Amino acid sequence: QKEVEQNSGPLSVPEGAIASLNCTYSDRGSQSFFWYRQYSGKSPELIMSIYSNGDKEDGRFTAQLNKASQYVSLLIRDSQPSDSATYLCAVNNAGNMLTFGGGTRLMVKP
Amino acid sequence: SQTIHQWPATLVQPVGSPLSLECTVEGTSNPNLYWYRQAAGRGLQLLFYSVGIGQISSEVPQNLSASRPQDRQFILSSKKLLLSDSGFYLCAWSWGYQNTGELFFGEGSRLTVL
Repeated sequence: QKEVEQNSGPLSVPEGAIASLNCTYSDRGSQSFFWYRQYSGKSPELIMSIYSNGDKEDGRFTAQLNKASQYVSLLIRDSQPSDSATYLCAVNNAGNMLTFGGGTRLMVKP
Repeated sequence: SQTIHQWPATLVQPVGSPLSLECTVEGTSNPNLYWYRQAAGRGLQLLFYSVGIGQISSEVPQNLSASRPQDRQFILSSKKLLLSDSGFYLCAWSWGYQNTGELFFGEGSRLTVL
């Protein structure tokens, strides 16, 4: 069974610090990787997509992919209280399906 | 730009009653459409997906059904709700052609079955 694993948290970081969120996946054939942010009671919002090994930066967010280690991470620089949410890692194995991890709850304390 | 809407946003239903949740996508043609459920404190569970009108694939056997009567309309139904059907239901779409894998969610429908 194809799996995506995340630490459920909560991950607590002080305001201004770097938050590091991690995700591992089981299917070596996975091609596309995504990070979603979900505020409490709201629907998931796509914040980052990454398709090749290395880093991809977008503003305060950096996604990192290491296919050899089957590992995806999301770094949030200068964390703000508004970044407090659950972050979902998702992996596209083939075709039209995404497999989601259980999410990591991030708390940014002022 | 593309938008997705689903309704109703919130509903409380008694056990054994029917259910109908509706979702529409604007600004694109022939999208792939999905219904997910998220139980309290749990991950996303794929219920149904569709690659075209009348084409529905079910991922989890249950008392729910889905239909796609029009290209950009997706409906989730039940004839008789169970307590275990409570949860946050999410409709989503992805590109039908040149699919990048990105999935875009609607606002969600929170269902409480009493």
